[in-house]
Amino acid sequence: EDKVVQSPLSLVVHEGDTVTLNCSYEVTNFRSLLWYKQEKKAPTFLFMLTSSGIEKKSGRLSSILDKKELFSILNITATQTGDSAVYLCAVIGGNEKLTFGTGTRLTIIP
Amino acid sequence: KAGVTQTPRYLIKTRGQQVTLSCSPISGHRSVSWYQQTPGQGLQFLFEYFSETQRNKGNFPGRFSGRQFSNSRSEMNVSTLELGDSALYLCASSLALIGGGWTGELFFGEGSRLTVL
Repeated sequence: EDKVVQSPLSLVVHEGDTVTLNCSYEVTNFRSLLWYKQEKKAPTFLFMLTSSGIEKKSGRLSSILDKKELFSILNITATQTGDSAVYLCAVIGGNEKLTFGTGTRLTIIP
Repeated sequence: KAGVTQTPRYLIKTRGQQVTLSCSPISGHRSVSWYQQTPGQGLQFLFEYFSETQRNKGNFPGRFSGRQFSNSRSEMNVSTLELGDSALYLCASSLALIGGGWTGELFFGEGSRLTVL
């Protein structure tokens, strides 16, 4: 059974800090790893990663995948209060089912 | 462009009853997938429909079922409700099937919050 573990479970930082969120996975026939941001109810898409070592970047957010060590990180630099959310990591394997981690709750203190 | 619409937003049922939730995807999106979100288990995949056919199913009992109509709108049904079915049920739409040739972008609705008493 596919499995995704995210750490830390929660994180509280001050505005302007840089944070790193972790996602490790076990999946049969890995296809891709995804990051979503959930502020209230509806998650929104951040990144999809399929290849090792290639960084995806969007503004202050970036993510990279290591397929050898089976993990991904999501970095957020110069955090703002609007970054407060639950960040979800998910993987797709050969069964083409999305398996989500339980998320990291990030709180930014002004 | 209208987003994904889920109805009802909130509902309360008692054990043993059944419930039907509705999801209208973004216009042009043919894939609709459903998820259950609980504090303990996180977001769990229920099933995916594409062109009125169930293409994939998660590890949920047969009490959970769904369907998709020709206009891509989808419904999910839970019969014989149990206390553990209390959750936020999220629906998401996308242009392509999850997995193959897919950009990874799912568009989620605001969810239907089900409370079972």
